[in-house]
Amino acid sequence: DVVMTQTPVSLPVSLGGQASISCRSSQSLVHSNGNTYLHWYLQKPGQSPQLLIYRVSNRFSGVPDRFSGSGSGTDFTLKISRVEPEDLGDYYCLQSTHFPNTFGAGTKLELK
Amino acid sequence: QVQLKESGPGLVQPSQTLSLTCTVSGFSLTSYHVSWVRQPPGKGLEWMGVIWTGGSTAYNSLLKSRLSISRDTSKSQVFLKMNSLQTEDTATYYCARWDGYWGQGVMVTVSS
Repeated sequence: DVVMTQTPVSLPVSLGGQASISCRSSQSLVHSNGNTYLHWYLQKPGQSPQLLIYRVSNRFSGVPDRFSGSGSGTDFTLKISRVEPEDLGDYYCLQSTHFPNTFGAGTKLELK
Repeated sequence: QVQLKESGPGLVQPSQTLSLTCTVSGFSLTSYHVSWVRQPPGKGLEWMGVIWTGGSTAYNSLLKSRLSISRDTSKSQVFLKMNSLQTEDTATYYCARWDGYWGQGVMVTVSS
C-alpha cells in the first residue's frame, strides 16, 4: 500500500500568517494516464472533510486563492497564506492514484 | 444538487454485522463512483472501499475479508456491510464522491 507521510502533525500559526503542509508518498502518484491524483481536504470540528485542492494544484469550487497546492511525483505541499479563523482544523492529503486509496495522518492547524 | 446521506444503526454489538446505506441524489450511481471512509473518534481518515460506475468494487486489504459494498441504482443507494465487528470499528462512517461531495457521516458505536 502507498504510505502517505504528512508533516507536521501540529502547526501553530498566527492569523494573517502563512502555513505549509507537506505530504510525501512511498511511491510515485503519477497514474498511467499521466494524471496525479493527490488531493487536500480540510476537516473542521464536527464536520465532514471538505475538498480544497484536487489533482495537486486545482482549487475546488469556492475555495479561496489563499490555498495553493504544488508538487509532483512523491512530494507535495499545501500552502495557506493570510490564515483566517475559518482555516483552522485538520488537514489531510489523499492519494487516489493507487488502490487502496490512502490518506495522510493529518495536520492540525491551530492558533499560536 | 448533489447530496449523499448515510443511515444506519448507531449501536452494534460486538461480533455482529454492520449495515449502512448511503442514499444519493442529484447524480446517478452509473455516472460516479462512491467510496466509503471511516474515522475513529479523535483519529484520522481510513478509506474502506469503492463501488465504481459499472458496479465493480475495490476494498481496503485490511478490511476485505469482512467488508462488502453493493448498490441499488434504481433507488440511488449504496450499501456497506461489514461483519465480525469489534470495538475498534467504532467510528464515524462516511460515503463520498472524490470530486468533492461527502455525506454528513453516521456515528457507529460497537459495544455490548
